[in-house]
Amino acid sequence: DADVTQTPRNRITKTGKRIMLECSQTKGHDRMYWYRQDPGLGLRLIYYSFDVKDINKGEISDGYSVSRQAQAKFSLSLESAIPNQTALYFCATTSGHATGELFFGEGSRLTVL
Amino acid sequence: RKEVEQDPGPFNVPEGATVAFNCTYSNSASQSFFWYRQDCRKEPKLLMSVYSSGNEDGRFTAQLNRASQYISLLIRDSKLSDSATYLCAVDRAQGGKLIFGQGTELSVKP
Repeated sequence: DADVTQTPRNRITKTGKRIMLECSQTKGHDRMYWYRQDPGLGLRLIYYSFDVKDINKGEISDGYSVSRQAQAKFSLSLESAIPNQTALYFCATTSGHATGELFFGEGSRLTVL
Repeated sequence: RKEVEQDPGPFNVPEGATVAFNCTYSNSASQSFFWYRQDCRKEPKLLMSVYSSGNEDGRFTAQLNRASQYISLLIRDSKLSDSATYLCAVDRAQGGKLIFGQGTELSVKP
């Protein structure tokens, strides 16, 4: 089983719908992240959380919200999806130690029509 | 201007070639630097960290130039399996907020 699991892996939805992407990790890490990836733009940070009571905006948080339900769970919501939110979304986690290595989920591909 | 920028791609090279990627960062407070590799439609995975003194891992060499605020990745003796997108990443505080460049696509041809 993957250490970082994202659901759903693929989703097609319509403009205006509410969407939630879920992420869970079994690595025991405190720090969790949501990124989106678009062709030519690389990975852009949406939100990150250093522990259950800590939520921080990233580079592109407008139109998104997050919830850290437990140390192992971090969900991303689009309250009213729009077409330019069509992208590949990655959840990631790290221990915060010096290596700085992020462990990513396999990604959730979202298409907003 | 993006906080982290990379050489535009794609890079198309023959097997056995040496190829170098650069990545510039704008925040002088950045403390940690990394290269990630991403295969098509897969999640990024850490290739190597970049240390102040430079570091090598087999055919891969990473260097940091703090004065000019860039990091580089050199791949020697390219293999077909090196074909991927290479992403640089910069962190202002260790384990904190990792910012990625847009990625450089490498295609190694027979």
